[in-house]
Amino acid sequence: QVQLQESGPGLVKPSETLSLTCTVSGYSINRGYYWGCIRQPPGKGLEWIGSFSHSGNTYYNPSLKSRVTISVDTSKNQFSLKLSSVTAADTAVYFCARGYSSSQFDNWGQGTLVTVSS
Amino acid sequence: QSALTQPASVSGSPGQSITISCTGTSTDVGNYNYVSWYQQHPGTAPKLFIYEVSNRPSGVSNRFSGSKSGNTASLTISGLQAEDEANYYCSSFTSSGALVVFGGGTKLTVL
Repeated sequence: QVQLQESGPGLVKPSETLSLTCTVSGYSINRGYYWGCIRQPPGKGLEWIGSFSHSGNTYYNPSLKSRVTISVDTSKNQFSLKLSSVTAADTAVYFCARGYSSSQFDNWGQGTLVTVSS
Repeated sequence: QSALTQPASVSGSPGQSITISCTGTSTDVGNYNYVSWYQQHPGTAPKLFIYEVSNRPSGVSNRFSGSKSGNTASLTISGLQAEDEANYYCSSFTSSGALVVFGGGTKLTVL
């Protein structure tokens, strides 16, 4: 049974970089599937941030592309999200998820709340 | 503004059926059968309930069904139960630049 666990600072200052790590257990991320990051501002809907495939292709939401980087550490079975120049609008619960396909997520982490505030 | 349009809320009584719509365009729902539906209870992660328009993952009740006509996908829940009260989100593959677009979510209230 695959499990995903997000970790990272719960508080980030405006203009700084948000860093989040997703640790995957129960499945090797370089074996298959897509892996992605999705966020949800408090009381609002879901927003796809970006994904990568096991074959090495990376995709980003065009609205965030200039600020987002997703990187992979297969030795630790982890992937990481970096979002630069954050503002209060980036305050959200950030989820990691496995993609059954490029656009359908069948396993999710519990999510972690990141607040942007000075 | 979300790329896919859902009603903000729907409601129904136990035992009744309800349908939640999800309207997109020809760059997403209309041209691809990669529509998914997620159920989310407050404070928890979304759970995949329907994939590829009408398929249910193992463990999801057959009271949940999905369909699509043109640019609009639909989620129907029959035999409403109190535990179905939650927020429901649709999503679709898109060829418009992003890989995935979500709907704004629909709050289902079981009266």
